[in-house]
Amino acid sequence: ETGVTQTPRHLVMGMTNKKSLKCEQHLGHNAMYWYKQSAKKPLELMFVYNFKEQTENNSVPSRFSPECPNSSHLFLHLHTLQPEDSALYLCASSQSQDKANYGYTFGSGTRLTVV
Amino acid sequence: GDSVTQMEGPVTLSEEAFLTINCTYTATGYPSLFWYVQYPGEGLQLLLKATKADDKGSNKGFEATYRKETTSFHLEKGSVQVSDSAVYFCALRNAGNMLTFGGGTRLMVKP
Repeated sequence: ETGVTQTPRHLVMGMTNKKSLKCEQHLGHNAMYWYKQSAKKPLELMFVYNFKEQTENNSVPSRFSPECPNSSHLFLHLHTLQPEDSALYLCASSQSQDKANYGYTFGSGTRLTVV
Repeated sequence: GDSVTQMEGPVTLSEEAFLTINCTYTATGYPSLFWYVQYPGEGLQLLLKATKADDKGSNKGFEATYRKETTSFHLEKGSVQVSDSAVYFCALRNAGNMLTFGGGTRLMVKP
C-alpha cells in the first residue's frame, strides 16, 4: 500500500464503452498526475493538476477526459477508445510543484485493455 | 530542457552478482535525483533519492551517488537477489518543474 489507491486494477472495455478510472490519495499532497505506460515505450505524462487546477495537458486526445474534484481525488473518464489505448494507467501525487526535492508517490495502476 | 538517459536493458545477472545501472542527466541548476523501481504488475516505488551534489542515497542495499561533475547518478548493489528483478527508472526534478524520467532498465536476476 503506497498511499495512492487506484481502481479498478484491471479493466476491459469495448471501443464504444464509457468508463472511468479513479485515483485517491490521503497523503496531504496537492498535485496529482496521470501517466500512460505502454509496452516498450517511455512513461508518458498525460495530465497534471495542482490544487485542483489542470496545469498540464500533453496533447492528449479528447477521448481521455480528466477530472479533479478535490486535492484527494482524480478521475480519468474514457470514451470511444482505440485498441492502441490499451496500457497501464498510473496515477501519482506529490507535494506542490515548487518542492523539487520531493518525488512522486504512485498508485499500482489500472491495466486497461480495449477490445 | 531537462533529460535523463539510462542504459537500455535488459540487464541479466546471476544471483549475488554486482549490479550497476548507469544514469546520466542534463539539467540547469541543481535538480534532485531519484531512482524508482517497478515490480511486475505494480506501479513505481521510490527506491532512493539525493538532493544535492555528493549526496548518497541508499535503500534495501542499493546505493547511488549524486555526481555533479559527471552529471551522473548510477545505481549499484553489491549482491543482487532474484527478488530484485524489476524495471528501474532514473529521474530528476528541478524546482518548479515536473519529474523527468529515463526510459527504464529491466533487470532480470537468475538463480
